[in-house]
This record gives sequence, C-alpha cells and structure tokens, in this order.
Amino acid sequence: EVQLVESGGGLVQPGGSLRLSCAASGFTFSSYWMFWVRQAPGKGLEWVANINQDGSAKNYVESVKGRFTISRDNAKNSVFLQMNSLRAEDTAVYYCARYYDNSGPIDYWGQGNLVTVSS
Amino acid sequence: DIQMTQSPSTLSASVGDRVTITCRASQSISRWLAWYQQKPGKAPKFLIYKASSLESGVPSRFSGSGSGTEFTLTISSLQPDDFATYYCLQYSTYPLTFGGGTKVEIK
Repeated sequence: EVQLVESGGGLVQPGGSLRLSCAASGFTFSSYWMFWVRQAPGKGLEWVANINQDGSAKNYVESVKGRFTISRDNAKNSVFLQMNSLRAEDTAVYYCARYYDNSGPIDYWGQGNLVTVSS
Repeated sequence: DIQMTQSPSTLSASVGDRVTITCRASQSISRWLAWYQQKPGKAPKFLIYKASSLESGVPSRFSGSGSGTEFTLTISSLQPDDFATYYCLQYSTYPLTFGGGTKVEIK
C-alpha cells in the first residue's frame, strides 16, 4: 500500500524557516517524481514544487522561487521542502504527492501538514 | 501560465441526479487533464487521468471527456458519498495548474 506521511509543519513567524519532510513507503520511491502541493485555508490547490527521480531536475511555482528548496534522499525514501523567508501567504496545508509514471498526473497524496505563518 | 476555469463553483443536486462539471483551459492542453475529489479535512483522491481514463477502483458512474481546451466530469447517478469538492488539474505544461474547484452540495 502506498503511503506518504508528512511531518515538520507548525507555527512560524514571518521571515522564518521550516523544513517539511515526507516519508514514503509501499512503492519504489527512487522511480518516481515527487511533488509538493499546498492548499490555503478555504482555498483551492496550488502546485508548489517537484523533483525528478535522482534529484537532478527541480521545478517551482514562481511565488516560491528563491525561497523554497525541494530535495530528496532515495536511501531514506524521503522528500523534503525547505521553506525560508516565509510569508503570511505561505500559510497552507502542504501535501506531499507522487507523480504517476513519468507523464503523470499526481496519483497518491499524503495526509497534509499545516504550516501557519503568523506573528 | 495556463489558467483552468471550472464551472459551476457550487452545484446543488440530489441523490440519483446526473451531474456535469466543466473545466476550461486558457490554451490547448491536448488530453493532459486529471480530476480529483476532495472531502473536508482530507487529501484529494485521484479519479481520472488523460481526460477520460478512470483510475483503478473508481466507480464507473464517474466519467470524463474532452480535449484541447474544454473538459467535463460527469457523475451519472449521484451517490451520498459523492458530495465533495472536485478539482481539475492540467499537467501539460509547467506550472501545473488546478481549477478553482466545484463544490457538489446536497439539494
């Protein structure tokens, strides 16, 4: 059974940093692109970042470029999202997700982890 | 960026109704469109990929159609478990973009 379990969320002040982790199990982690998608309270879904199988290719939504960094550790079946210079508008539930095959789309999602940016 | 416009934003329906949700892309995405169902406090659930292919385990009352810029998700006979919010996703071009969502409510 595919499982994605996020951790590392919480309350942080504007300008602060937070690192999200996602532990994967139930599939060959190193064979899949991995994604982070977020959902602000009461709002829709927004793709944030993704990373290819060996970490050599990464993509980001414009609003987080230069502030967020996605990475992965295939030996530990984990993907990470380092979030720096956080803003109030980054407040959201962050989902870790798997990309089906190489052509997509997202098929499995984690349970989500709330990040709140507030003073 | 490709904008995805879903309509309606809210839909009131009864059990047994046929329901159709539309998703329009600001430019052609061929058939690179997926549909998801989300219930409050839960992660989205994958329903359909490549516009019309049903994910394994998804009930056959769900179907998708379309190509290019206009797509539809149809629920042939609405069941109590189907009351939720539905999102489309284009995965043709970065940045990947979602529609704004359609909330299916009990009439």
